[in-house]
Amino acid sequence: QVQLVESGGGLVKPGGSLRLSCVASGFNLRDYYMHWIRRAPGKGLEWISIINISSSYTKYADSLKGRITMSRDNAKNLVYLEMNSLRDDDTATYYCARGHGGDDSNAALDLWGQGTLVTVSS
Amino acid sequence: SYALTQPPSVSVSPGQTATIACSGHKLETKYVCWYQQKPGQSPVLVIHQDNRRPSGIPARFSASNSGNSATLTVSGTQPMDEADYYCQAWDSSTVVFGGGTKLTVL
Repeated sequence: QVQLVESGGGLVKPGGSLRLSCVASGFNLRDYYMHWIRRAPGKGLEWISIINISSSYTKYADSLKGRITMSRDNAKNLVYLEMNSLRDDDTATYYCARGHGGDDSNAALDLWGQGTLVTVSS
Repeated sequence: SYALTQPPSVSVSPGQTATIACSGHKLETKYVCWYQQKPGQSPVLVIHQDNRRPSGIPARFSASNSGNSATLTVSGTQPMDEADYYCQAWDSSTVVFGGGTKLTVL
């Protein structure tokens, strides 16, 4: 079954850190760029980051730059998002998504995981 | 930074046609995707490359992109189409989402 499954979310205190994981199955992760996107309660989708196939290129949303690191392990079919200095407004459901088309202007996010909830609260 | 603007909400009667707009500067020079997200579910790609439907997406979903606006059209809207819809484009190698439109089928 072609799918993405996120894990690692939970309750964390402000200033804390968290590492989210996303495991791919049913397809070769090494063939695709990957993304992280989040949706805060009552808000819309916010793109967070992208990583290329070889991990030689990553790009982050300006709002999170310096606090997050995206990485991947193609051999384990895993993608990660490391988040530091978490704030209340980082509370959201975090999704990983497969990028079909790399980072070309016609690329689409054609497969999404079910999401993992991160709650930042004291 | 580049911005995509959508109306917060659109309402439609069952069986009628719903149109959801997405505006951005010179949007026609970019490819637009559309995603559907139902409550409690993850987003689903319904349109890519302006007007192409992925396998499994009903033909009642169509889209266009011209000038500064893109439009998602849902023909013969069904109650199951009630969801949040997001347009998306690329700018400076980053993904940009519109703010989302809640489609209500009354």
